[in-house]
Amino acid sequence: AQSVTQLGSHVSVSEGALVLLRCNYSSSVPPYLFWYVQYPNQGLQLLLKYTTGATLVKGINGFEAEFKKSETSFHLTKPSAHMSDAAEYFCAVILKTSGSRLTFGEGTQLTVNP
Amino acid sequence: GAVVSQHPSRVICKSGTSVKIECRSLDFQATTMFWYRQFPKQSLMLMATSNEGSKATYEQGVEKDKFLINHASLTLSTLTVTSAHPEDSSFYICSAEPTSYNEQFFGPGTRLTVL
Repeated sequence: AQSVTQLGSHVSVSEGALVLLRCNYSSSVPPYLFWYVQYPNQGLQLLLKYTTGATLVKGINGFEAEFKKSETSFHLTKPSAHMSDAAEYFCAVILKTSGSRLTFGEGTQLTVNP
Repeated sequence: GAVVSQHPSRVICKSGTSVKIECRSLDFQATTMFWYRQFPKQSLMLMATSNEGSKATYEQGVEKDKFLINHASLTLSTLTVTSAHPEDSSFYICSAEPTSYNEQFFGPGTRLTVL
């Protein structure tokens, strides 16, 4: 069963436009949730994470995400895209039944057009 | 803080040879390290979880005799691809988890090309 689903393998926005990358999870118990960014030929950099507490999480580079339990979602947003935001973005979860094992979504390639 | 390094960053080898990739946590101790494989335009696939001082736990479908993992210290894990073949060419990424901390820190990856 797919634990993490990212809707849209490719998203294209104009510079200055809103960025919205979608992530849904499937778990009866809310997991720990993460968003990572990957630039070409590099490892992953953590943008933000949700474990407990406030459901609106602010991360680096102006990104934020909101955990919505009723929708089993953790969508990533940024009010105004920069050219430097062009990269691959991965949503990931740690299911509380699987120790510290990360399960990744398929990724979303973000393109920012001038 | 929480820096993870990998060495080498890129390696090209001939078919049939073995290649060792090192993963180090530079400023923290990692009880657990993870090894991932990533094909072009795809997500990360967990290969194995290694715990310091014990045998690695491999994911289903990953050949443990081909991908040897050693986690001899709290700051170093190694992945050895034995008798490499062209189909083993991939981007290998490690991550390390500080003790009692639900977050993994990723290395920069190693690009393996087998000719």
